[in-house]
Amino acid sequence: EAQVTQNPRYLITVTGKKLTVTCSQNMNHEYMSWYRQDPGLGLRQIYYSMNVEVTDKGDVPEGYKVSRKEKRNFPLILESPSPNQTSLYFCASSEDRGFPEAFFGQGTRLTVV
Amino acid sequence: SQQGEEDPQALSIQEGENATMNCSYKTSINNLQWYRQNSGRGLVHLILIRSNEREKHSGRLRVTLDTSKKSSSLLITASRAADTASYFCATDEGRDDKIIFGKGTRLHILP
Repeated sequence: EAQVTQNPRYLITVTGKKLTVTCSQNMNHEYMSWYRQDPGLGLRQIYYSMNVEVTDKGDVPEGYKVSRKEKRNFPLILESPSPNQTSLYFCASSEDRGFPEAFFGQGTRLTVV
Repeated sequence: SQQGEEDPQALSIQEGENATMNCSYKTSINNLQWYRQNSGRGLVHLILIRSNEREKHSGRLRVTLDTSKKSSSLLITASRAADTASYFCATDEGRDDKIIFGKGTRLHILP
């Protein structure tokens, strides 16, 4: 089954404790991205990657890192999480650049206390 | 910057009625997409309309695009309880890498 898998689905952590949210897709997609969703603000793009070893900042990259060492994986790293990074995070992938249909993961609800 | 802006923010209608949502954007686009999100879940792609298209249909969905007004509308005909969800438009700002989502329209279908 074609899917984007995020882990964990829920995470509560403390300020400053490094964490990684994993994202994996099984569709051989070139384009992957991370979004955060906050009430009243909709979805905002954090980082995106157009291919292996190619990553770029979205609208809200501060406090986040990503890597794309393999085509299927695109982890989101919070080196020193802060409470303002409490949010619902989504990973998405699509076939290639050109803005085709995107497939979303089920989301990771992160709480930083 | 917020490219896609949906209108209204929330909409409640009776089951069986038609629901119309609008999206406005600021710059030129290659295409525009609509997505649905059930509460707290991942987004699901509904329909894509290219900048050179004016109207597109998919089942009970009808999407229009007016590039002169920089706006799009999503019409859901004969609404059902299962249509209760948030609906988002997304654009690419004329580039094919950075994607911009709107804040969404929350649709509630009343029994």
